[in-house]
Amino acid sequence: GENVEQHPSTLSVQEGDSAVIKCTYSDSASNYFPWYKQELGKRPQLIIDIRSNVGEKKDQRIAVTLNKTAKHFSLHITETQPEDSAVYFCAASSPPVIRFGAGTRLTVKP
Amino acid sequence: EAGVAQSPRYKIIEKRQSVAFWCNPISGHATLYWYQQILGQGPKLLIQFQNNGVVDDSQLPKDRFSAERLKGVDSTLKIQPAKLEDSAVYLCASGPLVGGNTEAFFGQGTRLTVV
Repeated sequence: GENVEQHPSTLSVQEGDSAVIKCTYSDSASNYFPWYKQELGKRPQLIIDIRSNVGEKKDQRIAVTLNKTAKHFSLHITETQPEDSAVYFCAASSPPVIRFGAGTRLTVKP
Repeated sequence: EAGVAQSPRYKIIEKRQSVAFWCNPISGHATLYWYQQILGQGPKLLIQFQNNGVVDDSQLPKDRFSAERLKGVDSTLKIQPAKLEDSAVYLCASGPLVGGNTEAFFGQGTRLTVV
């Protein structure tokens, strides 16, 4: 089955700096890669996703890149703001199952 | 649209007791997931239903956990008997079936504390 590794487990950046979170997956059949943001005490919510026929996708300050050959994908947040502080989870879908990474706790210091 | 509904929000039980959680997915969503999220960790899939059939229950501790999705809508997850290590948030999620891949919409979760 699919195995998803996520790094780093914690990340602290200064407001305005960029943050990068990286994930690797094991199942070459995986073709859908969502990213979820979970604020303290709240449910995970989808923030961006990418499908395997695309190498990069951007939505305002958030971008995701995918390297299918290397089986890794990354989340990039630019111009970070304090409200970006949360736990971020990557996931890989080998249809119809989704597997999550262990999460990255991002702290943006004002 | 209404979100995924879960109840109860919180539950405290003693070890060896039984507990059940309920989930009502978003209307029309064929896929339903139960995840266990231990504090500080990512969600771990326990079981996934497609309509009322089980797609994946490989990580469900079947000696104590059971789940059902009657009529392909609501679902219940049961733990019997509970252990201390079952303390976690149990998240239910649902998703539409689109092209074989599905976004998961999460409920608020049930926080279980086993003492």
